Amino acid sequence: EDKVVQSPLSLVVHEGDTVTLNCSYEVTNFRSLLWYKQEKKAPTFLFMLTSSGIEKKSGRLSSILDKKELFSILNITATQTGDSAIYLCADSSNTGKLIFGQGTTLQVKP
Amino acid sequence: GAGVSQSPSNKVTEKGKDVELRCDPISGHTALYWYRQRLGQGLEFLIYFQGNSAPDKSGLPSDRFSAERTGESVSTLTIQRTQQEDSAVYLCASSLVWRGNEQFFGPGTRLTVL
Repeated sequence: EDKVVQSPLSLVVHEGDTVTLNCSYEVTNFRSLLWYKQEKKAPTFLFMLTSSGIEKKSGRLSSILDKKELFSILNITATQTGDSAIYLCADSSNTGKLIFGQGTTLQVKP
Repeated sequence: GAGVSQSPSNKVTEKGKDVELRCDPISGHTALYWYRQRLGQGLEFLIYFQGNSAPDKSGLPSDRFSAERTGESVSTLTIQRTQQEDSAVYLCASSLVWRGNEQFFGPGTRLTVL
């Protein structure tokens, strides 16, 4: 059965800290790994990763995929209170549906 | 429209009643997905549509759940004889094409079954 596991489940940091969120997966017919940020209801797209070792970057956020070890990390540098959210990792297989992890709840304190 | 919209945003119902949740995907998106998110948990896949067809209904939790899509546009998720365990946020997403592409999510419908 396809499975996505995120760690840690929750994290509390102070503004300016750097955080690393982890996502490991077991997915048949893997196509891509996606990261989403969920603040209230609707998850918003961050990154889609399909190739190993290629870092994707957007401002203070970056992510990389390791298809050999079956994991991805999401890094946030110089965290701000606005980064407080649930970060969701999901795998896309050939079926098209996304298999989500349970999420990491990040709280950034001033 | 500019994004995926869902209605109602909140629904409170009594156990045993039927509910209908609506999703309007981004115009031109051929794929549409329904997910359920229980409190404090990740998203659980329910069903997806490729055009108006639903090739994979395996995620629907029971035969009380059904969904349809018409005109390759609006989709309705129906829950019959609601139970308290159906309480969750129901999220709809759409993508331009099926398989592997970025999915854009709607704001969700929060369903509370009393």
